[in-house]
Amino acid sequence: KQEVTQIPAALSVPEGENLVLNCSFTDSAIYNLQWFRQDPGKGLTSLLLIQSSQREQTSGRLNASLDKSSGRSTLYIAASQPGDSATYLCAVGSARQLTFGSGTQLTVLP
Amino acid sequence: NAGVTQTPKFQVLKTGQSMTLQCAQDMNHNSMYWYRQDPGMGLRLIYYSASEGTTDKGEVPNGYNVSRLNKREFSLRLESAAPSQTSVYFCASSEVGGPQHFGDGTRLSIL
Repeated sequence: KQEVTQIPAALSVPEGENLVLNCSFTDSAIYNLQWFRQDPGKGLTSLLLIQSSQREQTSGRLNASLDKSSGRSTLYIAASQPGDSATYLCAVGSARQLTFGSGTQLTVLP
Repeated sequence: NAGVTQTPKFQVLKTGQSMTLQCAQDMNHNSMYWYRQDPGMGLRLIYYSASEGTTDKGEVPNGYNVSRLNKREFSLRLESAAPSQTSVYFCASSEVGGPQHFGDGTRLSIL
Protein backbone atom coordinates (compact mmCIF):
# COMPACT_ATOMS: atom_id res chain seq x y z
CA LYS A 1 0.00 0.00 0.00
CA GLN A 2 1.34 3.42 -0.99
CA GLU A 3 2.13 5.76 1.90
CA VAL A 4 2.85 9.46 1.42
CA THR A 5 4.62 11.59 4.03
CA GLN A 6 5.05 15.35 4.07
CA ILE A 7 7.61 17.08 6.24
CA PRO A 8 7.40 19.50 7.94
CA ALA A 9 3.76 19.51 9.04
CA ALA A 10 3.93 23.27 9.52
CA LEU A 11 6.31 25.98 8.38
CA SER A 12 6.47 29.71 9.07
CA VAL A 13 8.74 31.98 7.04
CA PRO A 14 9.18 35.73 6.50
CA GLU A 15 8.02 37.24 3.24
CA GLY A 16 10.52 37.02 0.40
CA GLU A 17 12.18 33.78 1.43
CA ASN A 18 12.64 30.90 -0.95
CA LEU A 19 11.38 27.65 0.55
CA VAL A 20 11.16 23.93 -0.10
CA LEU A 21 8.36 21.57 0.85
CA ASN A 22 9.10 17.86 0.95
CA CYS A 23 7.08 14.81 0.01
CA SER A 24 8.18 11.17 0.22
CA PHE A 25 6.42 8.01 -0.90
CA THR A 26 7.02 4.32 -0.31
CA ASP A 27 6.21 2.72 -3.69
CA SER A 28 8.20 4.08 -6.62
CA ALA A 29 5.85 2.51 -9.20
CA ILE A 30 3.83 5.67 -9.62
CA TYR A 31 1.83 7.05 -12.52
CA ASN A 32 2.21 10.71 -11.65
CA LEU A 33 2.52 13.11 -8.72
CA GLN A 34 0.38 16.15 -8.13
CA TRP A 35 0.83 19.15 -5.81
CA PHE A 36 -2.23 20.98 -4.52
CA ARG A 37 -2.95 24.05 -2.46
CA GLN A 38 -5.83 24.18 0.01
CA ASP A 39 -7.03 27.37 1.67
CA PRO A 40 -8.98 27.12 4.96
CA GLY A 41 -12.54 25.96 4.38
CA LYS A 42 -11.96 25.59 0.65
CA GLY A 43 -11.39 22.88 -1.92
CA LEU A 44 -8.10 21.82 -3.47
CA THR A 45 -6.45 23.81 -6.23
CA SER A 46 -4.11 21.89 -8.52
CA LEU A 47 -0.68 23.54 -8.74
CA LEU A 48 1.54 21.17 -10.69
CA LEU A 49 1.33 17.67 -12.15
CA ILE A 50 4.49 15.67 -12.85
CA GLN A 51 4.20 12.56 -14.97
CA SER A 52 6.32 9.56 -13.95
CA SER A 53 8.60 10.08 -16.96
CA GLN A 54 9.32 13.71 -16.03
CA ARG A 55 11.85 15.11 -13.55
CA GLU A 56 10.30 18.52 -12.92
CA GLN A 57 7.55 20.98 -13.74
CA THR A 58 7.46 24.75 -13.37
CA SER A 59 4.66 27.26 -13.09
CA GLY A 60 5.53 30.85 -12.27
CA ARG A 61 7.28 30.94 -8.89
CA LEU A 62 6.65 27.24 -8.31
CA ASN A 63 8.93 24.38 -9.29
CA ALA A 64 8.24 20.74 -8.48
CA SER A 65 10.78 17.96 -8.86
CA LEU A 66 10.36 14.19 -8.86
CA ASP A 67 12.91 11.49 -8.06
CA LYS A 68 11.10 8.17 -8.34
CA SER A 69 14.12 6.05 -7.44
CA SER A 70 14.43 7.69 -4.04
CA GLY A 71 10.69 8.15 -3.56
CA ARG A 72 10.85 11.90 -3.19
CA SER A 73 9.33 15.08 -4.56
CA THR A 74 9.98 18.69 -3.61
CA LEU A 75 7.95 21.83 -4.19
CA TYR A 76 10.11 24.94 -4.41
CA ILE A 77 8.44 28.32 -3.88
CA ALA A 78 10.49 31.34 -4.86
CA ALA A 79 10.15 34.77 -3.27
CA SER A 80 7.31 33.76 -0.96
CA GLN A 81 4.38 36.14 -0.39
CA PRO A 82 1.70 36.33 2.34
CA GLY A 83 -0.81 35.17 -0.28
CA ASP A 84 1.09 31.87 -0.49
CA SER A 85 -0.12 31.01 3.04
CA ALA A 86 -2.12 27.80 2.76
CA THR A 87 -1.82 24.05 3.22
CA TYR A 88 0.14 22.31 0.48
CA LEU A 89 -0.74 18.71 -0.31
CA CYS A 90 1.26 16.15 -2.23
CA ALA A 91 -0.63 13.29 -3.91
CA VAL A 92 0.87 10.25 -5.62
CA GLY A 93 -1.09 8.78 -8.51
CA SER A 94 -1.59 5.20 -9.58
CA ALA A 95 -3.45 4.48 -12.81
CA ARG A 96 -6.74 4.87 -10.96
CA GLN A 97 -6.41 7.00 -7.85
CA LEU A 98 -4.42 9.49 -5.80
CA THR A 99 -2.91 8.81 -2.38
CA PHE A 100 -2.50 11.99 -0.37
CA GLY A 101 -0.04 13.14 2.24
CA SER A 102 -1.28 15.00 5.30
CA GLY A 103 0.03 18.32 4.04
CA THR A 104 2.36 21.13 5.07
CA GLN A 105 0.69 24.21 6.54
CA LEU A 106 2.64 27.22 5.30
CA THR A 107 2.46 30.68 6.86
CA VAL A 108 4.29 33.54 5.15
CA LEU A 109 4.67 36.49 7.51
CA PRO A 110 4.54 40.06 6.16
CA ASN B 1 -15.85 28.20 -15.87
CA ALA B 2 -17.82 26.27 -13.24
CA GLY B 3 -15.46 23.26 -13.15
CA VAL B 4 -16.67 20.83 -10.49
CA THR B 5 -19.86 21.81 -8.64
CA GLN B 6 -20.98 20.13 -5.41
CA THR B 7 -24.32 20.48 -3.65
CA PRO B 8 -25.15 21.07 -0.90
CA LYS B 9 -22.26 23.00 0.66
CA PHE B 10 -23.36 22.27 4.23
CA GLN B 11 -25.69 19.68 5.75
CA VAL B 12 -26.64 18.48 9.23
CA LEU B 13 -28.24 15.07 9.58
CA LYS B 14 -29.45 12.92 12.41
CA THR B 15 -28.11 9.40 12.85
CA GLY B 16 -30.00 6.99 10.61
CA GLN B 17 -31.12 9.58 8.06
CA SER B 18 -30.20 9.23 4.42
CA MET B 19 -29.00 11.77 1.91
CA THR B 20 -27.36 12.14 -1.48
CA LEU B 21 -24.45 14.41 -2.25
CA GLN B 22 -24.47 15.71 -5.79
CA CYS B 23 -21.50 16.42 -8.05
CA ALA B 24 -21.38 17.70 -11.62
CA GLN B 25 -18.46 18.63 -13.87
CA ASP B 26 -18.46 20.60 -17.09
CA MET B 27 -14.97 19.69 -18.34
CA ASN B 28 -16.04 16.57 -20.27
CA HIS B 29 -13.83 14.39 -18.07
CA ASN B 30 -14.24 10.64 -18.13
CA SER B 31 -13.10 9.95 -14.55
CA MET B 32 -14.79 11.16 -11.36
CA TYR B 33 -13.98 10.59 -7.69
CA TRP B 34 -15.40 10.98 -4.19
CA TYR B 35 -13.04 11.67 -1.25
CA ARG B 36 -13.53 12.40 2.40
CA GLN B 37 -11.20 14.62 4.41
CA ASP B 38 -10.81 14.18 8.16
CA PRO B 39 -8.39 15.87 10.58
CA GLY B 40 -5.27 13.74 10.99
CA MET B 41 -6.36 11.30 8.28
CA GLY B 42 -5.89 13.37 5.15
CA LEU B 43 -7.97 12.77 2.04
CA ARG B 44 -9.15 9.23 1.43
CA LEU B 45 -10.83 7.85 -1.67
CA ILE B 46 -14.36 6.52 -1.15
CA TYR B 47 -15.38 5.55 -4.70
CA TYR B 48 -14.34 6.41 -8.20
CA SER B 49 -15.73 6.08 -11.70
CA ALA B 50 -13.27 5.61 -14.54
CA SER B 51 -15.94 6.20 -17.15
CA GLU B 52 -19.69 6.52 -17.56
CA GLY B 53 -21.37 3.32 -16.42
CA THR B 54 -18.53 2.05 -14.23
CA THR B 55 -17.80 2.50 -10.53
CA ASP B 56 -15.17 1.01 -8.23
CA LYS B 57 -14.49 1.00 -4.51
CA GLY B 58 -11.71 3.07 -3.04
CA GLU B 59 -10.05 2.92 0.35
CA VAL B 60 -13.12 3.60 2.56
CA PRO B 61 -16.34 2.55 0.73
CA ASN B 62 -18.30 1.08 3.65
CA GLY B 63 -21.56 2.91 4.35
CA TYR B 64 -21.66 4.63 0.96
CA ASN B 65 -23.11 4.01 -2.49
CA VAL B 66 -22.49 5.89 -5.71
CA SER B 67 -24.21 6.43 -9.04
CA ARG B 68 -22.59 7.66 -12.23
CA LEU B 69 -25.75 9.11 -13.70
CA ASN B 70 -24.11 10.26 -16.93
CA LYS B 71 -20.74 11.61 -17.99
CA ARG B 72 -21.27 14.87 -16.08
CA GLU B 73 -22.77 13.68 -12.80
CA PHE B 74 -21.54 11.42 -9.99
CA SER B 75 -23.56 11.18 -6.78
CA LEU B 76 -22.68 9.80 -3.35
CA ARG B 77 -25.41 8.36 -1.13
CA LEU B 78 -25.40 7.71 2.60
CA GLU B 79 -28.20 5.20 3.24
CA SER B 80 -28.14 5.33 7.04
CA ALA B 81 -25.88 8.10 8.30
CA ALA B 82 -23.60 7.46 11.28
CA PRO B 83 -21.60 9.97 13.39
CA SER B 84 -18.37 8.44 11.98
CA GLN B 85 -19.40 9.81 8.59
CA THR B 86 -19.10 13.40 9.81
CA SER B 87 -16.52 14.80 7.42
CA VAL B 88 -15.84 17.10 4.51
CA TYR B 89 -16.64 15.39 1.21
CA PHE B 90 -14.90 16.34 -2.02
CA CYS B 91 -15.73 15.39 -5.56
CA ALA B 92 -13.07 15.51 -8.28
CA SER B 93 -12.78 14.81 -11.98
CA SER B 94 -9.96 14.20 -14.44
CA GLU B 95 -8.96 12.82 -17.77
CA VAL B 96 -6.72 9.75 -17.79
CA GLY B 97 -3.23 10.84 -16.80
CA GLY B 98 -4.34 14.40 -16.24
CA PRO B 99 -4.63 16.48 -13.08
CA GLN B 100 -7.60 15.99 -10.80
CA HIS B 101 -9.84 19.02 -10.35
CA PHE B 102 -11.76 19.38 -7.12
CA GLY B 103 -15.03 20.95 -6.07
CA ASP B 104 -15.39 23.18 -3.00
CA GLY B 105 -16.64 20.37 -0.79
CA THR B 106 -19.70 19.46 1.27
CA ARG B 107 -19.38 19.85 5.02
CA LEU B 108 -21.52 17.14 6.59
CA SER B 109 -22.30 16.80 10.31
CA ILE B 110 -24.15 13.82 11.68
CA LEU B 111 -25.60 14.13 15.16
